[in-house]
Amino acid sequence: AQKITQTQPGMFVQEKEAVTLDCTYDTSDPSYGLFWYKQPSSGEMIFLIYQGSYDQQNATEGRYSLNFQKARKSANLVISASQLGDSAMYFCAMRGGFSGSARQLTFGSGTQLTVLP
Amino acid sequence: DAGVIQSPRHEVTEMGQEVTLRCKPISGHDYLFWYRQTMMRGLELLIYFNNNVPIDDSGMPEDRFSAKMPNASFSTLKIQPSEPRDSAVYFCASSGLNYGYTFGSGTRLTVV
Repeated sequence: AQKITQTQPGMFVQEKEAVTLDCTYDTSDPSYGLFWYKQPSSGEMIFLIYQGSYDQQNATEGRYSLNFQKARKSANLVISASQLGDSAMYFCAMRGGFSGSARQLTFGSGTQLTVLP
Repeated sequence: DAGVIQSPRHEVTEMGQEVTLRCKPISGHDYLFWYRQTMMRGLELLIYFNNNVPIDDSGMPEDRFSAKMPNASFSTLKIQPSEPRDSAVYFCASSGLNYGYTFGSGTRLTVV
């Protein structure tokens, strides 16, 4: 079974500063994928970044980067130069291997990020 | 690409009534997922389909819930009879060859 743990229910960050949102995972699959989604107050789920378990380098997408530490089973999201529009709920999620039975995403409980002006 | 389309966006119904939620996945995506989001339980997978065939329905709460995918471009999630505890946001998502997942805007269901 797969499990995602997000231990920070809420985080505050000053505008223009960087912030790290924690995510740890547990799986017995040798191949897996890790995702981060943003859910603003409007409710939609917005894909931010993806890291494959065999990727050698940490994923980056603009101001988002994923600090992937495989041995520690952690996949923290780093947001640089925070903006007021980054205030939202952030979810870490995992997909198992590529077989049909493991294609679902398992989500963590989320972190509510508030960016302060 | 219009994305994953869900309807209705909001649904308010009385306890005991039948509710049908609809989803149109992205064309070419062969996986379709139904999730439910509540404050208490977070995001839960209800059921998912591969090539229109249900693969895992272990997350469906009880017999009052049913889901169908009659073709590659349409899926429904039906609750009959509805209960107040079914109030939640229901998301549909689809996935294709690139293994990314695209979510619809969700249906906010309120059962009174």
